[in-house]
Amino acid sequence: KNEVEQSPQNLTAQEGEFITINCSYSVGISALHWLQQHPGGGIVSLFMLSSGKKKHGRLIATINIQEKHSSLHITASHPRDSAVYICAALSGGSQGNLIFGKGTKLSVKP
Amino acid sequence: NAGVTQTPKFQVLKTGQSMTLQCAQDMNHEYMSWYRQDPGMGLRLIHYSVGAGITDQGEVPNGYNVSRSTTEDFPLRLLSAAPSQTSVYFCASSRFSSQFIPNIQYFGAGTRLSVL
Repeated sequence: KNEVEQSPQNLTAQEGEFITINCSYSVGISALHWLQQHPGGGIVSLFMLSSGKKKHGRLIATINIQEKHSSLHITASHPRDSAVYICAALSGGSQGNLIFGKGTKLSVKP
Repeated sequence: NAGVTQTPKFQVLKTGQSMTLQCAQDMNHEYMSWYRQDPGMGLRLIHYSVGAGITDQGEVPNGYNVSRSTTEDFPLRLLSAAPSQTSVYFCASSRFSSQFIPNIQYFGAGTRLSVL
């Protein structure tokens, strides 16, 4: 059983919709990362969270350590947001052991 | 700044051959890591380093060696390539946050490796 689970696996949205991608983990963690992988394969790191909430443009990431859950929200979605979104949990007590979810493939239609 | 540079971009090996995937960063980042990405499996951590001279194993270290003799470079060695190592490999680097954990990561463009 993967220790980091993402939902949904696939998501199709209309341009302008509010999008939520969820990440749950079963291990104790010290931080959680959200990544974006473009259709061409390049990977961009979006957020690193250890508590609370972070916002960058139309992207918002939240984490609830007690509930072992994180969400990535995209407001006013756009076709250029189409990508695979990946969460990765940093094992508690580790300085670098990242465990990845399998990703959520988002497609935003114009 | 070049960021994180990975070479080569593509490589085809025969079973049993050895090779080194190169990774270099010019941002003076403490943390560097290697991942492989396979269809249906997502990204998996192979090895990581929290500073020069310090390396540790990730989820899938078997068949791979690493070393970190300088802050800038973190090569990944395949000593005897196997078809199971056919994959896309990514290198990444980051600074540590105030809590001494990896912050936002910068990824290389990836190496597509095929082992026949």
